[in-house]
Amino acid sequence: AQSVTQPDIHITVSEGASLELRCNYSYGATPYLFWYVQSPGQGLQLLLKYFSGDTLVQGIKGFEAEFKRSQSSFNLRKPSVHWSDAAEYFCAVVTNFGNEKLTFGTGTRLTIIP
Amino acid sequence: GAVVSQHPSRVICKSGTSVKIECRSLDFQATTMFWYRQFPKQSLMLMATSNEGSKATYEQGVEKDKFLINHASLTLSTLTVTSAHPEDSSFYICSAVLGTHTDTQYFGPGTRLTVL
Repeated sequence: AQSVTQPDIHITVSEGASLELRCNYSYGATPYLFWYVQSPGQGLQLLLKYFSGDTLVQGIKGFEAEFKRSQSSFNLRKPSVHWSDAAEYFCAVVTNFGNEKLTFGTGTRLTIIP
Repeated sequence: GAVVSQHPSRVICKSGTSVKIECRSLDFQATTMFWYRQFPKQSLMLMATSNEGSKATYEQGVEKDKFLINHASLTLSTLTVTSAHPEDSSFYICSAVLGTHTDTQYFGPGTRLTVL
């Protein structure tokens, strides 16, 4: 069965520092890949997605992610984090393209310190 | 655009009662909506797929008689937790698929259910 792994449960980064959140998937083919952010009291917000084409994807809020087929990874990056980036981040995949069901990773909680 | 609301945002009920949670797409029509459950500090687990005008499709292990889903219109899906028990306490989240753009789901803010 397909799965999504986010190895880091919790990451703490200083404001202004760079960020990389890891995501690996297990699936025979290339799935559709997503990164969502969840802030308290708000719904999950789509940061970016990858379906095909350029493996470096730009998203909202200054985030980007790179798809690496050889590593089955889709890591999320941001060159300089802001205090408002503190939230829970979820990587997700769609592998059954007929029903668009999302399979989520376990999430990474990001804490920003001054 | 593409806003999804949920009501209520928080509900506390007694064991044995039923609770209805509404999910609305405010500015678009959604043929398909999804219902998820999120346990504390854990990921979202898909419970069921709600299709307008037809029966919901439940994931393996989800009791369809306990979690009743109705997708009566293109902008509204409801989840009713019947005869709720403390183990049903959780964070319930819905999402709606924007029209024909079936690759993008928009999520509601979630409903915190506490069963006493």
